[in-house]
Amino acid sequence: EAQVTQNPRYLITVTGKKLTVTCSQNMNHEYMSWYRQDPGLGLRQIYYSMNVEVTDKGDVPEGYKVSRKEKRNFPLILESPSPNQTSLYFCASSLQFGGGYTFGSGTRLTVV
Amino acid sequence: ELKVEQNPLFLSMQEGKNYTIYCNYSTTSDRLYWYRQDPGKSLESLFVLLSNGAVKQEGRLMASLDTKARLSTLHITAAVHDLSATYFCAVVPMDSNYQLIWGAGTKLIIKP
Repeated sequence: EAQVTQNPRYLITVTGKKLTVTCSQNMNHEYMSWYRQDPGLGLRQIYYSMNVEVTDKGDVPEGYKVSRKEKRNFPLILESPSPNQTSLYFCASSLQFGGGYTFGSGTRLTVV
Repeated sequence: ELKVEQNPLFLSMQEGKNYTIYCNYSTTSDRLYWYRQDPGKSLESLFVLLSNGAVKQEGRLMASLDTKARLSTLHITAAVHDLSATYFCAVVPMDSNYQLIWGAGTKLIIKP
């Protein structure tokens, strides 16, 4: 089944403890992106990647890192999480930018 | 500043009624997406509108795009309870740096 898989689905962590949210797609998509969703704000892009080793900042990149060493994987790294990063995170992929996007199931992160 | 505004943000309606959700955007764009999100779930692609005057229909939902007015509409015909969800529109600016700009979402509740 074609899908975008995120892990974990739920995560509660403490301020400053490094964490990684994984994202993997099995559709050979070139474009991948991370979003955060907060009530009343819609989705805001954190980082995106056009292909392997090609990444760039979105609207709200502060406090986040990404890497794209393989086409299928696009992990989101929070080096030192803070409470304002408590949010619902989605990974999405597309065959190319501007095409239809497939979203992962989401990761609900709480930073205390 | 790039903006995508949806109206209304909240809509409660009776089954069998018709209604329209509006998506206005502030930048030049010829590509607009509509997505659906059920509570606690991921985002599901509904429509991709690629040119001025584009109209797409799926069941009781019909979406249209007017690039000159910078307006897209999502029309619901004879609403049924199963259409209760939050609906998002998103645009790709013409001068996009590979960013997708999202509306805040319209929460639709359809009462039996």
